[in-house]
Amino acid sequence: LAKTTQPISMDSYEGQEVNITCSHNNIATNDYITWYQQFPSQGPRFIIQGYKTKVTNEVASLFIPADRKSSTLSLPRVSLSDTAVYYCLVGDSLGGGATNKLIFGTGTLLAVQP
Amino acid sequence: EAGVAQSPRYKIIEKRQSVAFWCNPISGHATLYWYQQILGQGPKLLIQFQNNGVVDDSQLPKDRFSAERLKGVDSTLKIQPAKLEDSAVYLCASSPGTSGSGEQFFGPGTRLTVL
Repeated sequence: LAKTTQPISMDSYEGQEVNITCSHNNIATNDYITWYQQFPSQGPRFIIQGYKTKVTNEVASLFIPADRKSSTLSLPRVSLSDTAVYYCLVGDSLGGGATNKLIFGTGTLLAVQP
Repeated sequence: EAGVAQSPRYKIIEKRQSVAFWCNPISGHATLYWYQQILGQGPKLLIQFQNNGVVDDSQLPKDRFSAERLKGVDSTLKIQPAKLEDSAVYLCASSPGTSGSGEQFFGPGTRLTVL
């Protein structure tokens, strides 16, 4: 059963690059790694997803080492509006098996200051 | 494209009462999820549907919670009877695919307060 561990909180300043790491030692072969962003009183919003190596989109990069036991979300040049909780999700969205459950991590509260 | 719709947005009930939440996923999305998010915690998956079949309900407290997805579209989640510890935000999400990857689109959630 894949379980994730993230830092509870992080502080940053506008314009800096922020890296948030998630540990998932028991990740299964079929599991993908997905990151979501959540603002207060809203549902989570998809940021990025990957299986291995590096994935980049217009808002973030996701680094996954060869053993896949951890992953790092990289946010380039954060702004005040990036202040939110960031969740690491490991799982196979098909579910249907004892090990393939969708489990959100504890979440990391990123506070961006001016 | 319309997003995931949920209603009501807020609900306050007393313990032992019943409550139902409704979710309308994005049109054409095969997979629908219900999550429970307690204040300060990450969302916890309660049940996952693929079309109108249940894929995973292992974390659904079946003695009091029930869910259905009629005709593979809308879904309802019911709690009967409610307990104080059921106070949480109930999130509905949908995703288009049936493969092992894919973005989930979340609704705004229903905030339930049990007194």
